[in-house]
Amino acid sequence: NAGVMQNPRHLVRRRGQEARLRCSPMKGHSHVYWYRQLPEEGLKFMVYLQKENIIDESGMPKERFSAEFPKEGPSILRIQQVVRGDSAAYFCASSPAGLARNEQFFGPGTRLTVL
Amino acid sequence: QKEVEQNSGPLSVPEGAIASLNCTYSDRGSQSFFWYRQYSGKSPELIMSIYSNGDKEDGRFTAQLNKASQYVSLLIRDSQPSDSATYLCAVLHQAGTALIFGKGTTLSVSS
Repeated sequence: NAGVMQNPRHLVRRRGQEARLRCSPMKGHSHVYWYRQLPEEGLKFMVYLQKENIIDESGMPKERFSAEFPKEGPSILRIQQVVRGDSAAYFCASSPAGLARNEQFFGPGTRLTVL
Repeated sequence: QKEVEQNSGPLSVPEGAIASLNCTYSDRGSQSFFWYRQYSGKSPELIMSIYSNGDKEDGRFTAQLNKASQYVSLLIRDSQPSDSATYLCAVLHQAGTALIFGKGTTLSVSS
């Protein structure tokens, strides 16, 4: 049973470029969450999505960041015009439908480096 | 501002000892609590969840919850060097969406 998959695992971008991070949830999971972990800081919630819907984006920066979870395919976190401060580990987590207790399982993460 | 507080450590214990990790949270309405383990450079791994006051045991791990005191803890019995990692306390936001994480406690188990 495959876990949460993320790609790429490492991504290097120059300032001003776009970064696209992909996440495929665990089989049977329909809820996806994105978190960011800055160096020496804790994990911070960014956005919560279900298929074709953004449920909670309260942790997402208002500009340059967007997320989607289409009917088919992985969830995508998109960062436009990246800046050095975007360098971080971005983790995706998934949970099963029903939200009974909302145990979230994390993928391996994408380490974004902005030069 | 909903917060989760943990001592950053490092917490150092000898092999075979009990490691005790503590966490307090500010949102009195929180109902779901989790402990994650994160090795350096890796992703968080869920090791325990707890939803009711009292103790919950799973192998060498025991989670303890006291909602009145807004306190949750993790005990690791018979600590092993492989337990050396950062332990993250997470509280589910009352709205039932985001996990709010503490900054983690670094545990070092010496052999």
